Amino acid sequence: SQQGEEDPQALSIQEGENATMNCSYKTSINNLQWYRQNSGRGLVHLILIRSNEREKHSGRLRVTLDTSKKSSSLLITASRAADTASYFCATVSNGSSNTGKLIFGQGTTLQVKP
Amino acid sequence: EAQVTQNPRYLITVTGKKLTVTCSQNMNHEYMSWYRQDPGLGLRQIYYSMNVEVTDKGDVPEGYKVSRKEKRNFPLILESPSPNQTSLYFCASSFRGYEQYFGPGTRLTVT
Repeated sequence: SQQGEEDPQALSIQEGENATMNCSYKTSINNLQWYRQNSGRGLVHLILIRSNEREKHSGRLRVTLDTSKKSSSLLITASRAADTASYFCATVSNGSSNTGKLIFGQGTTLQVKP
Repeated sequence: EAQVTQNPRYLITVTGKKLTVTCSQNMNHEYMSWYRQDPGLGLRQIYYSMNVEVTDKGDVPEGYKVSRKEKRNFPLILESPSPNQTSLYFCASSFRGYEQYFGPGTRLTVT
């Protein structure tokens, strides 16, 4: 079952602009994670935010989590052409915290034009 | 270097011919998982394993088998592949509930 819904499905911006992607989910979560996938390659973990956290930063990435709205956003600041990729949110539900099962969203495809 | 390896990376086979995709990790992770990725359907979990000899079905287990005889290895077995199993397959590992490390993917085509 796909828990996460991501918005937008596709995003095209110019280098230097900020990119914001949103993720909504359905059940209560233990944590939410964001991954990046370059075309046809394996996913790479970007950041994990726990259910008791509201915001987290890592380099040019900023993730927010609103558990009351069951939503998260990923902001990439000062984007670069190398940020072109698909971005997925994934959740570990409270019921699955002992198994660590991830439920992935459909992903947002980001294109950063030089 | 911490990594998850998969083999083969590309495979074209015919309907009904048994195949195995290997997965190995060198991070001593308890948790390993197989996903398939299809256009418009995202990543769906096939099977997962919480430790040696402990495996369980994910969301789309039909037509697949797995085994976990050693902590580092988690092979995916297709006993009788069919065209609807044409997909991009990923193995992943993690400490339970935390960031998952993904392999490079296996692109399988069943004709």
